[in-house]
Amino acid sequence: EAGVTQSPTHLIKTRGQQATLRCSPISGHTSVYWYQQALGLGLQFLLWYDEGEERNRGNFPPRFSGRQFPNYSSELNVNALELEDSALYLCASSSGFSGTRIGGYTFGSGTRLTVV
Amino acid sequence: AQSVAQPEDQVNVAEGNPLTVKCTYSVSGNPYLFWYVQYPNRGLQFLLKYITGDNLVKGSYGFEAEFNKSQTSFHLKKPSALVSDSALYFCAVRDGGGPFYGNNRLAFGKGNQVVVIP
Repeated sequence: EAGVTQSPTHLIKTRGQQATLRCSPISGHTSVYWYQQALGLGLQFLLWYDEGEERNRGNFPPRFSGRQFPNYSSELNVNALELEDSALYLCASSSGFSGTRIGGYTFGSGTRLTVV
Repeated sequence: AQSVAQPEDQVNVAEGNPLTVKCTYSVSGNPYLFWYVQYPNRGLQFLLKYITGDNLVKGSYGFEAEFNKSQTSFHLKKPSALVSDSALYFCAVRDGGGPFYGNNRLAFGKGNQVVVIP
């Protein structure tokens, strides 16, 4: 069974540009979560999608946005990139509302975004 | 708001000695608690969870965790540490509004770097 896949593995952008990060969940999982892992800050919750809808949003500015497609894959868009957006962006999936009851999230290996 | 605290930035332990990584939580309602491990340049891997039942939870790779409601703690333990256990460990909590309701997101602590010394 394929795990959670994220692409690209690394992404280098200049300040002011836009970045698009992609995530494919485990087959059968309908929920996708996005987290930002910046150095020394732990994991900060960004967005949660389930069944194509945004269910919850973390304390991030509107230039962080995303969507979930009918096949449950998801993309995260970051507009007007700033230097402090440099971080590892992790995607996780679970089987909907009951996912954390079963076994928690399954994480991908992340996309390392560097803003220069 | 749900939150967890991992008070130590780094835990150093000699190989073969007991390992403890501390976590305290704050939630409204019943807590669902998790531990994850992250190896360099990798995503997080699930270790164990507490939903309900026995306060001592056994997980992957010989790890276990003890839920203590009165102290609002969920410390991760391993009786005998291995060099390969060196990694970043995260505690997480979900607001237990029932498995089919409410907010399914997890709040993570800032992580503890564990260094096992040969």
